[in-house]
Order: sequence, then C-alpha cells, then structure tokens
Amino acid sequence: GENVEQHPSTLSVQEGDSAVIKCTYSDSASNYFPWYKQELGKGPQLIIDIRSNVGEKKDQRIAVTLNKTAKHFSLHITETQPEDSAVYFCAASSNTGNQFYFGTGTSLTVIP
Amino acid sequence: NAGVTQTPKFRVLKTGQSMTLLCAQDMNHEYMYWYRQDPGMGLRLIHYSVGEGTTAKGEVPDGYNVSRLKKQNFLLGLESAAPSQTSVYFCASSLASNTGELFFGEGSRLTVL
Repeated sequence: GENVEQHPSTLSVQEGDSAVIKCTYSDSASNYFPWYKQELGKGPQLIIDIRSNVGEKKDQRIAVTLNKTAKHFSLHITETQPEDSAVYFCAASSNTGNQFYFGTGTSLTVIP
Repeated sequence: NAGVTQTPKFRVLKTGQSMTLLCAQDMNHEYMYWYRQDPGMGLRLIHYSVGEGTTAKGEVPDGYNVSRLKKQNFLLGLESAAPSQTSVYFCASSLASNTGELFFGEGSRLTVL
C-alpha cells in the first residue's frame, strides 16, 4: 500500500512569516493529494487539494505544490496568523484504490 | 444540515467490554470511513464502506467490526475492548469516490481501562 511521510512533526513560526510542510509518497498510482487542518477538539477539515495533472494550486494565503517525478508535495502558508495554529495532515489516494493514506501530522504554532 | 455526527463523544470501558460507535451522515454520501487517531501516528483507516451493505478492511481492522445497513449510518463495534484500543475515533464520509473531499465528524474519545 501507499506510504506517506510528513515533515516536520512540529513547527513554530512568528506571526507574518511563512510556513512550509512537506510530504512524500511511495505509490506512483496516487493522483489526489489533499491537505487537512485539525483544530483542537475538532475533526480534520479540508483546506486545499491538488490532483496529479496540476503542479501548483493557490487559495489566498495557502498554496500546494506537487512534484510527481520526485513523489513529493508541499503546503505553503504565507503571512501566517495565530488562527493558523493547528495540526495539518497531508494525504494521498488514487482512483484505483479505495483508501486515503494520511501523513503523521504537523503541529503548527504561530507566535503572535 | 448536521454533516457527520458521531455518538457517543466520550466513553470509558473496562477491558473485555463491548460497545458500538455510531456514525450518521445526512449528505447522501456513498463512501464512509472509520479512522483512529493516536499521537504521532496520524489517522489510520480501520474499515470503510463504498455503499450501503458493503464493508471492507483498512490498515488496522483487527479487533473491530463494522456494519452499513443503511446508507446514512456506519457502525463501528468493539466486541472485546483492549487497552490498545484507547484512541480517538473519527468517522468520515465522501460523496462518490476516494478522490474527493472527506467530511469528518468531531470524534469519539474512547478509553479502555
């Protein structure tokens, strides 16, 4: 099955700085890569996703990049704000399987 | 529109006891999933269902059973709870395939003593 690795496990940034979280995957058949944000005491919520026919996608302060050759994808958050503090999970799936495979999560703290 | 609702939210069990977690979704989604979340291990898939009447094993199915008798409900059962099953359990659903948005419930915290 798919193996998704995520780094770093914890990340602290000053408010206004950028944050980058990186993930690698092993299955070349994977073609869908979502990112989820989990606030304390809540379930994860989708914040952005990318499909394998696209190299980059942006949504306001959040962007995701995908390198299919190297099998890695990254989440970029610019101009971080305290409300960005949460745990972020990357995931990978393919339409030939029936499962999402999640990374182990990154706890992001934005220091005011 | 409640989305995905899990009950109960908290439960404490003794080793060997049984219990059922209920997940209900009101979005007419075909796919439903049960995950467990443990510190440092992310979300691991226990069982999933691709439609009413179907179930399949995920990454960590041992010690759990599931049923999907109605499209809107997905039940997770523990027949004989063990301390290793202490975790936070999340149910999720998606519209039609595994390459679309997952909608999660708020989680059920289970402690097995």
